[in-house]
Amino acid sequence: GQQLNQSPQSMFIQEGEDVSMNCTSSSIFNTWLWYKQDPGEGPVLLIALYKAGELTSNGRLTAQFGITRKDSFLNISASIPSDVGIYFCAGLIDYKLSFGAGTTVTVRA
Amino acid sequence: GAGVSQSPRYKVAKRGQDVALRCDPISGHVSLFWYQQALGQGPEFLTYFQNEAQLDKSGLPSDRFFAERPEGSVSTLKIQRTQQEDSAVYLCASSLGGGRTQYFGPGTRLLVL
Repeated sequence: GQQLNQSPQSMFIQEGEDVSMNCTSSSIFNTWLWYKQDPGEGPVLLIALYKAGELTSNGRLTAQFGITRKDSFLNISASIPSDVGIYFCAGLIDYKLSFGAGTTVTVRA
Repeated sequence: GAGVSQSPRYKVAKRGQDVALRCDPISGHVSLFWYQQALGQGPEFLTYFQNEAQLDKSGLPSDRFFAERPEGSVSTLKIQRTQQEDSAVYLCASSLGGGRTQYFGPGTRLLVL
């Protein structure tokens, strides 16, 4: 089973809003990653975090690797319609990825 | 090709039928992974290859599941005597090395009736 708890499960957001989602784990990970999955497609990597405390941005996305190495959050600023999709956090140990159950984002135009 | 490709994209099987799912990784990628994604869930690790060697198959749900990568490039995931609980999306990913960034294919959607 999956070790990562991702919240919220789903969210409706207004275009232009900033949103935040997070992921917690009972296990320590060496690397945290955030993926986005569109319907009928595979997950696409958004951001990778390699060090505890690291804060990384990719355009309108910002993610942080928690100090305890057991959590991470993802922020999306100024949301747009194409932000719709399912966002997954994943923790990496050696070669094995463990995924959360995902946060489904729907944007109200 | 530019990315990981998988075929078929969709497969409908009758319970008890054998199926074979193909993955073509990114050229030059040493590592290849298979994941199973149930509806409404995140992907779950099935197995890992480094070149032609299957280094970890701890995630395979039963001995009906078998994966191979005989020449270190294309991989096939075979499911024998399919059951309804095998219905899921099967994702393949590849990377330059075990701990490096994994790039996912579009998946094969398997429905067992």
